[in-house]
Amino acid sequence: AQSVTQPDIHITVSEGASLELRCNYSYGATPYLFWYVQSPGQGLQLLLKYFSGDTLVQGIKGFEAEFKRSQSSFNLRKPSVHWSDAAEYFCAVGPNYGGSQGNLIFGKGTKLSVKP
Amino acid sequence: EAGVAQSPRYKIIEKRQSVAFWCNPISGHATLYWYQQILGQGPKLLIQFQNNGVVDDSQLPKDRFSAERLKGVDSTLKIQPAKLEDSAVYLCASSPIRGGSPLHFGNGTRLTVT
Repeated sequence: AQSVTQPDIHITVSEGASLELRCNYSYGATPYLFWYVQSPGQGLQLLLKYFSGDTLVQGIKGFEAEFKRSQSSFNLRKPSVHWSDAAEYFCAVGPNYGGSQGNLIFGKGTKLSVKP
Repeated sequence: EAGVAQSPRYKIIEKRQSVAFWCNPISGHATLYWYQQILGQGPKLLIQFQNNGVVDDSQLPKDRFSAERLKGVDSTLKIQPAKLEDSAVYLCASSPIRGGSPLHFGNGTRLTVT
């Protein structure tokens, strides 16, 4: 079955500390991979995406993610967290074919809190 | 560019009542999606349109949910009759047709069924 697992429901980090949010997926073929961020009362905003090629992808707001096929993982990282990064983060997978994006499967999300 | 517009932002109804949500996608985006996000969970696709045709509605509870996208632009999602478990945020998203294009989400409609 296709699924996305984000093992950490809630993470708290200190401002300026590094961050890693975990994402594991189960998918029948090589998928498209995404990380979205959602602030309270807002829709989801795309942070970064992986389609093919370099397995380390850079996104907005200083985020990066690394695709590891052998581990079926796509972990999100940021070297130094800012208070404005407090939000909920969703990992998602989708079908990798030439047409429209199709059905994205989302994880349950990881809520990030940042302490001063 | 203007983002995906949704209305209303909030809606409270009693069970067995009906409700409708409206979405206006980004201009030129042929693909439109409705997602349901229950508290504590990630969004789940309800229905996907390409222009005014349905691409995927396999997870839409068709006995109570309906959606349309007349003229391939705006879309309406309706629930009739609503149940308590329909309480959720309903997100609309749009994207161009070309493969791998990211989804652009609206701010959602928060529905509370009492």
